[in-house]
Amino acid sequence: QVQLQESGPGLVKPSETLSLTCTVSGYSVTSGYHWGWIRQPPGKGLEWIANIYRSGSTYYNPSLKSRVTMSVDTSKNQFSLRLTSVTAADTAVYYCARIDWNPDYWGQGTLVTVSS
Amino acid sequence: QSALTQPPSASGSPGQSVTISCTGTSSDVGGYKFVSWYQHHPGKAPKLMIYEVSKRASGVPDRFSGSKSGNTASLTVSGLQAEDEADYYCSSYAGSNNNVFGTGTKVTVL
Repeated sequence: QVQLQESGPGLVKPSETLSLTCTVSGYSVTSGYHWGWIRQPPGKGLEWIANIYRSGSTYYNPSLKSRVTMSVDTSKNQFSLRLTSVTAADTAVYYCARIDWNPDYWGQGTLVTVSS
Repeated sequence: QSALTQPPSASGSPGQSVTISCTGTSSDVGGYKFVSWYQHHPGKAPKLMIYEVSKRASGVPDRFSGSKSGNTASLTVSGLQAEDEADYYCSSYAGSNNNVFGTGTKVTVL
């Protein structure tokens, strides 16, 4: 059973960097598929942020590309998200997911609030 | 890369059917067979219902079906049940390992 779990600070100050990690169990991130991040601001819809492949190749939403970095740690079976220069507009529930052309397995999500 | 367009809401009485549309462009929905649908209850992880336009995910009742015509994909829920009340989102592969989501539809069972 593939399971994903997001972790990271729930509160980030404006202009600082949001960092989240997704720990995968039941499947190796080196075995294939892409891995991704999706977010949902309060009261709004889902927004795709970025994907990464086991090789480290990354693919970013053009609207966020200048501020986003994804990485993968195969030794820990984890992948991570960094979003720089955050504002209140980045407040959202952040989900990590396995990507099989589209997400199939999702984490439970973690709320990140941007506030001073 | 614009969000796919879904109606904000849809409703039906128990036992009735409801169909949700998901309109994109030839660069996403119309260009690939990779359209998925998710059921999302607040506070929970989205649940994959349909993948590759019309294939049901494991354990999903056959009351849920998907289709596509041109740049518009559709999800039909037949024989509505109370537990079907949720938000539904479509997602499409958009090339170059990019994805795009729909705006979301709130389904209400009257």
